[in-house]
Amino acid sequence: QVTLKESGPTLVTPTQTLTLTCSFSGFSLNSFGVSVGWIRQPPGKALEWLGVIFWDDDKRHSPSLKNRVTITKDTSKDQVVLTLTNVDPLDTATYYCAHAGAENDWGLDYWGQGTLVTVSS
Amino acid sequence: SHELTQPPSVSVSPGQTATITCSADALPKQYASWYQQRPGQAPVLVIYKDSERSSGIPERFSGSSSGTTVTLTISGVQAEDEAEYYCLSADSSNSYWVFGGGTKLTVL
Repeated sequence: QVTLKESGPTLVTPTQTLTLTCSFSGFSLNSFGVSVGWIRQPPGKALEWLGVIFWDDDKRHSPSLKNRVTITKDTSKDQVVLTLTNVDPLDTATYYCAHAGAENDWGLDYWGQGTLVTVSS
Repeated sequence: SHELTQPPSVSVSPGQTATITCSADALPKQYASWYQQRPGQAPVLVIYKDSERSSGIPERFSGSSSGTTVTLTISGVQAEDEAEYYCLSADSSNSYWVFGGGTKLTVL
């Protein structure tokens, strides 16, 4: 059974760095054709794709975030970490991590419950 | 930049067919996936690779593609299908992915 869960601070001060952890089970990020992506959703707004890390440590991120995003994996802990630097109130959102596999052509087939992060002074 | 355009809203009566489109800005178009999101819940994968139905998704959900447009069709719409629907696709070089702006499906 595949599960994912996001964790991290609920409140972050503007200009600080946000670090979120996605802890997962039921799959290995060492296995061929597996990836974990990050998605966010500001309150009342649309989903926004942030980035992805693949089993081979290849990484992609949204160009709209202008290199503020870093995604890393710790396969020994079955975790993926999202770092977002220089946060702004516009970064207030529910942050999701999700599993995607090559067998689904990278469709995001399992999602975490999401974690709401508020950026405010 | 890669953009996906969806209609903001679609309304249908129960039992009718709902059609939601997602238009990419350029070719070559990569495969798209579709997600259903009910209020307060995480999204659920409905369709991947343009037209493949995800596990556990009812047969009334189908996907298709033509040119730079992908379409999600829900046949025999039920009240439980009322939700926000998003498409997702990569840019032409698979460098990054983008969601469409979402379509709110209302079942009248």
